[in-house]
Amino acid sequence: GAVVSQHPSRVICKSGTSVKIECRSLDFQATTMFWYRQFPKKSLMLMATSNEGSKATYEQGVEKDKFLINHASLTLSTLTVTSAHPEDSSFYICSARDRRGYNEQFFGPGTRLTVL
Amino acid sequence: AQSVTQPDIHITVSEGASLELRCNYSYGATPYLFWYVQSPGQGLQLLLKYFSGDTLVQGIKGFEAEFKRSQSSFNLRKPSVHWSDAAEYFCAVVGGGTASKLTFGTGTRLQVTL
Repeated sequence: GAVVSQHPSRVICKSGTSVKIECRSLDFQATTMFWYRQFPKKSLMLMATSNEGSKATYEQGVEKDKFLINHASLTLSTLTVTSAHPEDSSFYICSARDRRGYNEQFFGPGTRLTVL
Repeated sequence: AQSVTQPDIHITVSEGASLELRCNYSYGATPYLFWYVQSPGQGLQLLLKYFSGDTLVQGIKGFEAEFKRSQSSFNLRKPSVHWSDAAEYFCAVVGGGTASKLTFGTGTRLQVTL
């Protein structure tokens, strides 16, 4: 149980294009999902927290117009990197917390974004 | 604000040797503590967690961790390391409340020599 999927697992795009990454909780309902960014050989940096049906809360320094987050249902959150540039290349990981409120996050396998 | 310190950036052990990865946290109340493992290019897998109760926690793959409130520590141990344990290990803390944000340590890279 408690499986989180991400799609795509890997994406390469040209500079200036937008990329959408999906995060799904497969066997539980998630009122809260989190998006992280990880640079090579670095720890995870929380980008934003999304709650179903409401606007995402972004961490300080994260451009909300650059990284659009939508959490339209209890099992799906999306991260759209708009007008991507090479510096947006990174490993993006989502996690989801069970709606029953347990203080545990279940992580997706991550998405490797490369912007040329 | 909560924080996590993993003092060892990189550790090398021989296969079959014991392992201890250090983790110190800072949080005003009783924290929820986690250890995750990440293989290259992969997501995070939960090894074990501590919420309350017995301070010695057993996890998957033969790992265990001990919560020591007096030392603000939650060190990860394994009695005999296997080559497949080579990976990045992250300690994390959640402070509770509705936000429940995870704060990660900087990670410890484990290398296993044969």
